[in-house]
Parts: sequence; C-alpha cells; structure tokens
Amino acid sequence: GAVVSQHPSRVICKSGTSVKIECRSLDFQATTMFWYRQFPKQSLMLMATSNEGSKATYEQGVEKDKFLINHASLTLSTLTVTSAHPEDSSFYICSAGRDRTGDTQYFGPGTRLTVL
Amino acid sequence: GESVGLHLPTLSVQEGDNSIINCAYSNSASDYFIWYKQESGKGPQFIIDIRSNMDKRQGQRVTVLLNKTVKHLSLQIAATQPGDSAVYFCAEGRGFQKLVFGTGTRLLVSP
Repeated sequence: GAVVSQHPSRVICKSGTSVKIECRSLDFQATTMFWYRQFPKQSLMLMATSNEGSKATYEQGVEKDKFLINHASLTLSTLTVTSAHPEDSSFYICSAGRDRTGDTQYFGPGTRLTVL
Repeated sequence: GESVGLHLPTLSVQEGDNSIINCAYSNSASDYFIWYKQESGKGPQFIIDIRSNMDKRQGQRVTVLLNKTVKHLSLQIAATQPGDSAVYFCAEGRGFQKLVFGTGTRLLVSP
C-alpha cells in the first residue's frame, strides 16, 4: 500500500509556457501532500505543503505565483509551473502523508522538467 | 541555523560487507527521523524510521540507531548487495509532517 504516482514522468517545454504536474495517492487518502524540487546531485528541497481544501503553504523563497498548487481532493494535488524558464528545469517530486497523526511520507516517482 | 547533514558524501563497500551511513542533526526538538533510498531518476523510497523515544529500530537487513546525546543518526545495512547502491538521505521531522532532508550519501557496492 501507500502508492503515490506522478504524471507526467518527463516533460520538455519551451520557455514561457506553463506546465502542470499531477500527484496522486492511489490507495489512500492524503490530507497533506508536499512538493519538493531536486537539482542534480543535491538533496530534496521542500517547496510547499499542499492541504486539501485550503491554500498551500510555501517555503521561504518559493514564489507562490510562479508555482501554483491546487489540492482539490484527498487523492490529487497539482503543481503548475507558470511561465517556465530554463532555471526552472529540475526534478519535481511530490509526497503524501496518510493522515494528520502519521509522519511517514510516501514519495512519487518524480517528474523531470526541462525548459528549453 | 538548523540543519540535517551527513559526514560522508560517498561510501564504497564490497558486496557482503556491512554498511554504515551517518547523519547529524542539530534540532534537539525533532522527534521523528527517516531514512530514504533514492535510485537515479526515481523518487525517494522509504527504508526505515525511528522516533525520538527510541534509540534503535530494526528492519529487514537494516537498523537505524539514534543517539540523542550527540544528535546522531545512523543507518546500518547488513550484507550489502549491489542493489543497495543508491543515494541515501536522512530526514528530520519537524512540526506536522514537515521534513528536512540531509545532503545525502552515495553508497557504491562493488561485486
């Protein structure tokens, strides 16, 4: 159990376009989902915490207008990178927590974004 | 500032050896620690976790040790296999499910 999927797994887009990444918990309900970014050979950096039915909480330095997060249901959160630029190229990973008392986060397989 | 870090960026071992990956943390208020394994191009995979009221926890071929006195966490992998080759991250739980990841250690297992 505790499977998290992401779609797409890879995306290449032109500079200035917007890209939407989906994160789904397949076999459990996730009240909270998290979005991370990982640059090559670096650790995961938390971008934002996505709560179902409410606004996301962004980490310091992350532009909320550039990285739009929508957590419309208990199994789906989306991250939209708006007006993408080459410096946004990265590995985006989501995770989901099962419930408010559990701490374990289960991670999706990641989405490789390349902005040309 | 607060941080979670690792002592060794790369660890090379022979197949069959035991591996020990270390992690230091600085926030004594953290009460939950997790080890993740990440293979190239994939998301992190949960390995084992431990709460601050414990000092040792064992899983299948893995053991996590927590020393709160010196704020140190370690992951021991018994009989390391080539399939264990990956980057290993420790993560520290702060607040409600929010995790802070360490810098990562690459484990290289030679046959």
